[in-house]
Amino acid sequence: DAKTTQPNSMESNEEEPVHLPCNHSTISGTDYIHWYRQLPSQGPEYVIHGLTSNVNNRMASLAIAEDRKSSTLILHRATLRDAAVYYCILRSTNNAGNMLTFGGGTRLMVKP
Amino acid sequence: EAQVTQNPRYLITVTGKKLTVTCSQNMNHEYMSWYRQDPGLGLRQIYYSMNVEVTDKGDVPEGYKVSRKEKRNFPLILESPSPNQTSLYFCASSPGTVNTDTQYFGPGTRLTVL
Repeated sequence: DAKTTQPNSMESNEEEPVHLPCNHSTISGTDYIHWYRQLPSQGPEYVIHGLTSNVNNRMASLAIAEDRKSSTLILHRATLRDAAVYYCILRSTNNAGNMLTFGGGTRLMVKP
Repeated sequence: EAQVTQNPRYLITVTGKKLTVTCSQNMNHEYMSWYRQDPGLGLRQIYYSMNVEVTDKGDVPEGYKVSRKEKRNFPLILESPSPNQTSLYFCASSPGTVNTDTQYFGPGTRLTVL
């Protein structure tokens, strides 16, 4: 799977929007962009995924650049419970083992 | 409730004493896998299973065994644990292996080998 680059950490105030960036300049045309997050002392959990169009669900929105070389996960109103490590992962069609390749992720800190 | 469960959640053992970490999912998923998470190394896949009786190695399989006799269960076996297997272990499952499938993770098992 192609590589992603994310900032190590970000900070946000509670109830404010948060934009978590991800660069994936070597993405291929059939790679899906997935976001997972890992709350403290828990397993990773799925957040959202997309291919080309922007996507919304109850947890977040995913904005994908037109050239697909970057994407942004948007939390519309951060809460203290959103403090977690957020991982941007590319899923290709040729992935032996269906493995998720977790990079370092972005540690989001939410201040009250 | 749809979930992946793991047992035990915490385990302290000694070198060489065989142990099994169980994983079970109630979503009728075909695919299951095991990851370990270590500081600075992230999550790495140990073994995976595409379906019953079909298993294969991930990135770091040395020292581990798995079996998939039933669709819902995928135990991780350490025949002779060593201190370098001290880690946080996660089991995951997904409906299949297409690149749109969501993976569901268990709560983790923290293993310490003395």
